[in-house]
Amino acid sequence: KQEVTQIPAALSVPEGENLVLNCSFTDSAIYNLQWFRQDPGKGLTSLLLIQSSQREQTSGRLNASLDKSSGRSTLYIAASQPGDSATYLCAVPTFFGNEKLTFGTGTRLTIIP
Amino acid sequence: NAGVMQNPRHLVRRRGQEARLRCSPMKGHSHVYWYRQLPEEGLKFMVYLQKENIIDESGMPKERFSAEFPKEGPSILRIQQVVRGDSAAYFCASSISTGGTTNTEAFFGQGTRLTVV
Repeated sequence: KQEVTQIPAALSVPEGENLVLNCSFTDSAIYNLQWFRQDPGKGLTSLLLIQSSQREQTSGRLNASLDKSSGRSTLYIAASQPGDSATYLCAVPTFFGNEKLTFGTGTRLTIIP
Repeated sequence: NAGVMQNPRHLVRRRGQEARLRCSPMKGHSHVYWYRQLPEEGLKFMVYLQKENIIDESGMPKERFSAEFPKEGPSILRIQQVVRGDSAAYFCASSISTGGTTNTEAFFGQGTRLTVV
């Protein structure tokens, strides 16, 4: 059974700093990993999707890496801004050929102005 | 191209009533997934549907919950005889394909927040 863990559960950093969020998964037989952002009381916004054949993906100030063999992914946020404050979730398909996702419990990020 | 649309955004029901949650997938998407987020918990998969078919309902409670995705119209998640423990945010996601080597990114709606009083 796939389990996804995100550490830390909460993180506060001053504005402008670079930061890294971590995601680990127990079953490395995944074919993609997706990072989401969730604002309080809102839905999920897809940030980045990394296919299993890729090692990283970039979108603006965000960079996500994937190391399947070690069961880890990181989300790097450069030059953090107050608007980055949200809960960040990673998710992997439960098993190959079915896209139901197993989610981590998230990292609640607060950027201090 | 509108995103995944869910309605209502907020729903209040008294114990014992029925709740109907609707989800219209993104245009061109034929795969719909429902997830539940209980207070202070992560998102948990409930059911995966394609048009007129339930593909995987392994995350659905065995009683009171049902889902459909008819040939025409939105997907419906139906909760009968709601109880306080059903209070949660219910999210719908859609995707364009499943498995294989294609890009199978999931797009989520804004969710329906169900409160049972």
